Amino acid sequence: DTEVTQTPKHLVMGMTNKKSLKCEQHMGHRAMYWYKQKAKKPPELMFVYSYEKLSINESVPSRFSPECPNSSLLNLHLHALQPEDSALYLCASSQTSGVNEQFFGPGTRLTVL
Amino acid sequence: QKEVEQNSGPLSVPEGAIASLNCTYSDRGSQSFFWYRQYSGKSPELIMSIYSNGDKEDGRFTAQLNKASQYVSLLIRDSQPSDSATYLCAVSGGTSYGKLTFGQGTILTVHP
Repeated sequence: DTEVTQTPKHLVMGMTNKKSLKCEQHMGHRAMYWYKQKAKKPPELMFVYSYEKLSINESVPSRFSPECPNSSLLNLHLHALQPEDSALYLCASSQTSGVNEQFFGPGTRLTVL
Repeated sequence: QKEVEQNSGPLSVPEGAIASLNCTYSDRGSQSFFWYRQYSGKSPELIMSIYSNGDKEDGRFTAQLNKASQYVSLLIRDSQPSDSATYLCAVSGGTSYGKLTFGQGTILTVHP
């Protein structure tokens, strides 16, 4: 199984809502990543989890809160987002954070109204 | 100077031609180099990884790495309309240890 799954595929939320994005991988990878991608731009790294511990936070606003409940799951909790946070949110995984052949999930298309 | 730069594109080639995509990087400590393909509205898909100088071939794709010139390229032989996508060069290692640094991407169109 070489797949990273993400739910939901699409999400529309208001600025006062709280929602969560979910990511799952069953490749035995020990590094997982959250990226944000705006139209016509490359993916922009947000967070890196290595062995279920947060290892990199790229100065992401606190309205984005990551969580890694176990080695297969990664969540991104969203609260009080702004319209400019609308983007494609991508999850990726790799064998370890030092082996950076990363495999991406299909993404969640987020729209903030 | 951007950390990873790609030929700006867009690049248009006829079906059956060779498409050449280029990427330069600034961090001499970089160790791992990747090419991702991204179709419109989809997520990036890893198509090639290269770690040492020289060529690496996989089907119609050839990645070339020259660490002395800090240059990595992707050649697509016998280009097909289905190859039309954005190609992202990504680099890891050095100051980017533990993460990927992406170029801005090159849009490739293969016309019949």
